[in-house]
Amino acid sequence: NAGVTQTPKFQVLKTGQSMTLQCAQDMNHNSMYWYRQDPGMGLRLIYYSASEGTTDKGEVPNGYNVSRLNKREFSLRLESAAPSQTSVYFCASSRERGSNSNQPQHFGDGTRLSIL
Amino acid sequence: GQQVMQIPQYQHVQEGEDFTTYCNSSTTLSNIQWYKQRPGGHPVFLIQLVKSGEVKKQKRLTFQFGEAKKNSSLHITATQTTDVGTYFCAASGDSNYQLIWGAGTKLIIKP
Repeated sequence: NAGVTQTPKFQVLKTGQSMTLQCAQDMNHNSMYWYRQDPGMGLRLIYYSASEGTTDKGEVPNGYNVSRLNKREFSLRLESAAPSQTSVYFCASSRERGSNSNQPQHFGDGTRLSIL
Repeated sequence: GQQVMQIPQYQHVQEGEDFTTYCNSSTTLSNIQWYKQRPGGHPVFLIQLVKSGEVKKQKRLTFQFGEAKKNSSLHITATQTTDVGTYFCAASGDSNYQLIWGAGTKLIIKP
């Protein structure tokens, strides 16, 4: 099994350009997540999708949009890239949260994005 | 908003020495997860703690959840080179899909 697949692995953009990061999972998970990771910091949640057809803002949603295309795919779009969005972006998926506990999250290999 | 403080930021050890990282929250946590991220890699789930005072072991790794469910620790006994990486805690409050991540503790083995 591939698990969680992210494309592209690397990308360089100019300020103001737009881009969509793709994520697909083959584990039949209901929930999917987009994080960004900056040096010396933990992961910060951008958006998540608890189940197919729903999306919700996380801790740092400004400047991003998401689409839960189907159960497998969850994309992240930067409409007008800014240097502050230079980061490593991780997509993750998990089974749906239980009544009193979260589920382990499975991560893709990440997209290393630089905005000049 | 909810925050999880993780210390230390770095820990340099000789191979064979022990390693400990701590996570603390000012609010009661529903559960806490621990992940390991190798250099250049992605976070990999290690374990989840749910119950007050819970202690779980995985070989040389011992995970604890505080009695008040506001703190947690990961202890590695007799570190090996394969333990190198950054260890993150990630916690949530009740009825919440969002995990709040600690900043991570980077384990460095001295040459």
